[in-house]
Amino acid sequence: EVQLVESGGGLVQPGGSLRLSCAASGFTVSSNYMSWVRQAPGKGLEWVSVIYSGGSTYYADSVKGRFTISRDNSKNTLYLQMNSLRTEDTAVYYCAKDVDSSGSSYWGQGTLVTVSS
Amino acid sequence: QSVLTQPPSASGTPGQRVTISCSGSSSNIGSNYVYWYQQLPGTAPKLLIYRSNQRPSGVPDRFSGSKSGTSASLAISGLRSEDEADYYCEAWDDSLSGRVFGGGTKLTVL
Repeated sequence: EVQLVESGGGLVQPGGSLRLSCAASGFTVSSNYMSWVRQAPGKGLEWVSVIYSGGSTYYADSVKGRFTISRDNSKNTLYLQMNSLRTEDTAVYYCAKDVDSSGSSYWGQGTLVTVSS
Repeated sequence: QSVLTQPPSASGTPGQRVTISCSGSSSNIGSNYVYWYQQLPGTAPKLLIYRSNQRPSGVPDRFSGSKSGTSASLAISGLRSEDEADYYCEAWDDSLSGRVFGGGTKLTVL
């Protein structure tokens, strides 16, 4: 059974950093396309980043240069390093296993990141 | 302002057929697959349609997807009260080199 469990969310001040983790089971992270998608309170879905099985990465313009997606094959875990956080980064962050270059077939439960002073 | 445009709301009565539209451009819907999600309150999104018109196993055949040019649609037939949720469309955008979502449509079952 495919499972994704996010952790690492919390309250951080503007300009601060946070690293989100997504522990996967039931499949191999490194063999799949994996994404982070976020949802601000009361708002719609916003794609954040993707890492392909080959290692290529892509980012939304809103986070480019501040966020880094990565994976640890030995731990079968996906990460999102978030630096220079802004209040507008406040959201529930979901990790997801993708169908292909778009479309996420499995989602974690989400972890809340709150950026506030 | 979302790259893909959806109506903010839709409604129907039990048993009815409703459609939700998603409008894009040549760089996203016009040249790539469309995906649809259902999100119930307080839960993660659930994939309903992938590659424009394919249903994952477990998704009832009451849900169907179509695409024509730079627009796509999600149709729900035999509407049920449990279909009340937010629905989102999504596609890859070649110009942005990233995924783009619609703003979401809140479906109300009257």
